[in-house]
Amino acid sequence: QSVLTQPPSASGTPGQRVTISCSGSTSNIGSNFVYWYQQLPGAAPKLLIYRSNERPSGVPDRFSGSKAGTSASLAISGLRSEDEGDYYCAAWDDSLSAVFGTGTRVTVL
Amino acid sequence: QVRLVQSGTEVKKPGASVKVSCKASEYTFTNYDINWVRQATGHGLEWMGWMNPNSGYTGYAQKFLGRVTLTRDTSINTAYMELSGLTSDDTAFYYCTLGLGEVWGQGTLVTVSS
Repeated sequence: QSVLTQPPSASGTPGQRVTISCSGSTSNIGSNFVYWYQQLPGAAPKLLIYRSNERPSGVPDRFSGSKAGTSASLAISGLRSEDEGDYYCAAWDDSLSAVFGTGTRVTVL
Repeated sequence: QVRLVQSGTEVKKPGASVKVSCKASEYTFTNYDINWVRQATGHGLEWMGWMNPNSGYTGYAQKFLGRVTLTRDTSINTAYMELSGLTSDDTAFYYCTLGLGEVWGQGTLVTVSS
């Protein structure tokens, strides 16, 4: 089962913009929507982005998603201390299975 | 407010099976797929499989084929995930989700220990 590749860590100071990448293949990101999740310490994951760039209601517009080819990105602008946690991307694969990213730990310095 | 409420912590011995439930509320249960995802402590998210509650159709990750079974009881809006042949590597939090993570259950800790 393949996985999507993310950098293990990302960091920034309050107010900065942080970007997290998610690399896949033509069978997953290349041909399907990308999802992004935030997992704060000790909590279940929460949906941040669906359909590659759509935000569910209640998610601040500081979070934005994009996709190009077989890669996707999550940007967090105006970084805040409460954004510290783990971030995961996911996508359906053409094999009718889903794959998750390896996860990125975001630290606010 | 859409909710998925899972059953409680389980402790199992190696070789045993575990069945986790996921009760849905505040939406039409048969209209949306349920996915199952697990997370070992300190590790990332791992997709296990999906089920269409209306038809009962399922799809499983290659890694879990033959060991995981997804079922449902539409009369009580509840989905189930049963995992057999447990080993210590199966110790993890198990989550049910609406669609691919649109809404998450609170998670069920399954510990496998002799």
